[in-house]
Parts: sequence; C-alpha cells; structure tokens
Amino acid sequence: SQQGEEDPQALSIQEGENATMNCSYKTSINNLQWYRQNSGRGLVHLILIRSNEREKHSGRLRVTLDTSKKSSSLLITASRAADTASYFCATDGASGTYKYIFGTGTRLKVLA
Amino acid sequence: DAMVIQNPRYQVTQFGKPVTLSCSQTLNHNVMYWYQQKSSQAPKLLFHYYDKDFNNEADTPDNFQSRRPNTSFCFLDIRSPGLGDAAMYLCATSRVVGRAEQYFGPGTRLTVT
Repeated sequence: SQQGEEDPQALSIQEGENATMNCSYKTSINNLQWYRQNSGRGLVHLILIRSNEREKHSGRLRVTLDTSKKSSSLLITASRAADTASYFCATDGASGTYKYIFGTGTRLKVLA
Repeated sequence: DAMVIQNPRYQVTQFGKPVTLSCSQTLNHNVMYWYQQKSSQAPKLLFHYYDKDFNNEADTPDNFQSRRPNTSFCFLDIRSPGLGDAAMYLCATSRVVGRAEQYFGPGTRLTVT
C-alpha cells in the first residue's frame, strides 16, 4: 500500500507554540499534498509540494519534502485555537497513477 | 461561490435498504472522487470519474456503485447497506487527474440502523 504514515497520531500544544507533524510514504511520488479537516467536515487543501521541491511556505505553514527519506513535514508556526483539526498528507504515484492516497492523519489540539 | 455540494448532510437508512448520496460541483472540474471515511481514519478512495470514465478501486465492495450523468453531478449508490457501511462519505473534485489539489464537499454522514 502507498498509504502514508503520519506521526504523531495526536498532538496537544498551547496557543502560540509551533506544531510539527510528519508524514512518511512508501513509493516514489510526483507531489505530496497536505489537507486539514475540522471535526465532522470535509477536507481543505493547504499546500502542494512537488517532488523536485524541498521546501514551501504558505502563511504560517512550512512544508518540507525529503524524497530520499520518503518523508515530509508540516510546521504550523504560532498556532491558534482555530488550528485545532486533523491534518492529512496525501501522495500520488510517480508511475503515472492518478489518485491520491491519504495518510493516517495527525489530530492537533491547540489549547487557548 | 464555486463549490462542491453534498446532499444530504446526514442520512439515516435501514440495514439492507438502498440509499443514494449526491454530489454536485460548480467548478467544472473533469474529475470527481468518492471517499469513505470512518471515525478517526484516513479517507479511503472508493472510485473516481475522469469525465465519463469510471475507475473503481480494487477493494471497493460491489455493494457500492456510482453514476455520473453529467459534468456537474455524481451519485454514490449503496445497494444493500450493512452496519459496517456507516461512515462519512466525501465527494471531491479536481481539475487534472492526480496532479492538482482536490476540492472537497462537506460530506454526508451515513447512519445504518
């Protein structure tokens, strides 16, 4: 299976702290995406990083990709209570597959 | 605003009673996906359409079917729901198969009694 594994499974931090979550995957990819899911809702796209990119920023989000280790990390800086959600990585297949497989997710709780 | 709409948001059905979930999009995307998500788990891809081409995942049960009558609408039919089919069902769209971000609807939570 190409499914990514994320760690930690759950993370609880204080508002203002940084949150880091990691994603590991098994096969080569063209790109990797991160999504956020608030409880009981659909997923919202956060950022896409291509296999030839090593780092990408979007507001308070920073994503890194290490294709040699088949891993990615998502850093949320200066977290807010509104960042409380589940975060999923999703990978496609470099071999020409056309679908994304989601990782197991990290449940982030930001305490006010 | 362009978006992905799912109806109903909550659906209760009886064991073995067919149920249909619907998804519509105003994004004019050529790809539509259906995912099943159980509590505290990752979304699991059931199938997707690239225009009218249907692509089923190998492990999607035969109990699950889909229809896409036009670009805007896609339906998920569960022919004989079992208790194990209770889940959140998510519809998503994308512009280019596997190469672009997916836009998700809010989901339909299915309860089987």
